[in-house]
Amino acid sequence: EPEVTQTPSHQVTQMGQEVILRCVPISNHLYFYWYRQILGQKVEFLVSFYNNEISEKSEIFDDQFSVERPDGSNFTLKIRSTKLEDSAMYFCASSERDGGNQPQHFGDGTRLSIL
Amino acid sequence: RKEVEQDPGPFNVPEGATVAFNCTYSNSASQSFFWYRQDCRKEPKLLMSVYSSGNEDGRFTAQLNRASQYISLLIRDSKLSDSATYLCVVPYNTDKLIFGTGTRLQVFP
Repeated sequence: EPEVTQTPSHQVTQMGQEVILRCVPISNHLYFYWYRQILGQKVEFLVSFYNNEISEKSEIFDDQFSVERPDGSNFTLKIRSTKLEDSAMYFCASSERDGGNQPQHFGDGTRLSIL
Repeated sequence: RKEVEQDPGPFNVPEGATVAFNCTYSNSASQSFFWYRQDCRKEPKLLMSVYSSGNEDGRFTAQLNRASQYISLLIRDSKLSDSATYLCVVPYNTDKLIFGTGTRLQVFP
C-alpha cells in the first residue's frame, strides 16, 4: 500500500538554528499538509498546499515557517530560528483530492527536539 | 461549543466488551467526518470515514447525527490490539482537519 514517508525520523537542533523536514507524499496525491503534535497534546493543523501554493494556514504558521515543493516528489517544511516551543512531532499528510472530503494519509512523523 | 470535543477517557474495558466513544463538533457546514486511531508516539491512521448517517466496517460502527452535531464510534468484541487513542476529526473549510484531543482506550485480558 502506498504511504507517505518522512525524513528524518528524529531531528535534534540547537535553538536558533534552521531545520528542514522532508516528506514524500503518495505519488498520485495532489494536496499536501503539515501538522504538528506537541507531546501530550492534540494534533494541530499548520498548512495545506495545492497546485504549488499555500491554500490555507493556521495562526501557528507564521513567518518562521515556510513550505516548498522543490521537485515532483518532495514536500518540505522549513522552520527558521527555532525556539524551544517548536519541539514537537511534525506529521506530513497527503490526499488525492481536497482533504475536506477525502481522507488524509499521514506519514510516521519527524520528532523535532530543540535544545 | 469547542470545534471538536471528545471525552479523553481512559476507557478501561475487558476483552470482548463493547465500547462507545462520543464526539461533538461546532461546524455545522462540515460534510464528512473521520475517525483516526493513534498508537503511542505514532502517526494517526485512518480508521473510518463517515459521509452520511453512518458507516460500518467489521467490528467498528460510526454514526452521525447532523442535527445534534454529534458523531459516535462503537467497537464491538474489543481486542487487546484495539488499545489506542481514538481521534475524532472534522474538516473545517476545504481541507483543514481539526482533531479532537482523543479518547484513550485500554483493553485488558
